[in-house]
Amino acid sequence: GAGVSQSPSNKVTEKGKDVELRCDPISGHTALYWYRQRLGQGLEFLIYFQGNSAPDKSGLPSDRFSAERTGESVSTLTIQRTQQEDSAVYLCASSLGFGEEQYFGPGTRLTVT
Amino acid sequence: GENVEQHPSTLSVQEGDSAVIKCTYSDSASNYFPWYKQELGKGPQLIIDIRSNVGEKKDQRIAVTLNKTAKHFSLHITETQPEDSAVYFCAARYSTLTFGKGTMLLVSP
Repeated sequence: GAGVSQSPSNKVTEKGKDVELRCDPISGHTALYWYRQRLGQGLEFLIYFQGNSAPDKSGLPSDRFSAERTGESVSTLTIQRTQQEDSAVYLCASSLGFGEEQYFGPGTRLTVT
Repeated sequence: GENVEQHPSTLSVQEGDSAVIKCTYSDSASNYFPWYKQELGKGPQLIIDIRSNVGEKKDQRIAVTLNKTAKHFSLHITETQPEDSAVYFCAARYSTLTFGKGTMLLVSP
């Protein structure tokens, strides 16, 4: 079956603009995670959704970052008033349930100029 | 919160040699330790994992060992092949996954 997909694959934006990144999880996966990966660094947890529970937003670096998920399907990560330090690859993962194996998408490479 | 340290940051080996990557973690409550392989332009892919009730796990050429007392775990790849070249990440979890900074493994033919 299809894996996790993300769009766009690349996004270049000007400083101060808002961006929306999209993630389509594997069908039937109730848990969805967003991570940020800066160049040469490990993955930094941002937020996760589990079913209808309130999301764990503990990893969001500032109030410019927000995410939504519609039921157990698509999720969007929004970054408002982008800054150059937001440049990174944003990875989405999903799992059958929280704590189970995470399957990652290919990521969205965001460049803020 | 959890802190995961990973060493080395880069590792070059000859084809057929073994490669070992080591990680330490800080939160003794962590109970799940996966290893991911990330190829250029792709998302990480789980290659092996171990839970805290087990000391060692093996899957063909890869194995992971866990020392809960010392809070460290290691990835062992034997008979390395050029296609093993990638960035490898360790992670530890009690609630959410905390990742190491990665090891770039280069296997030369």
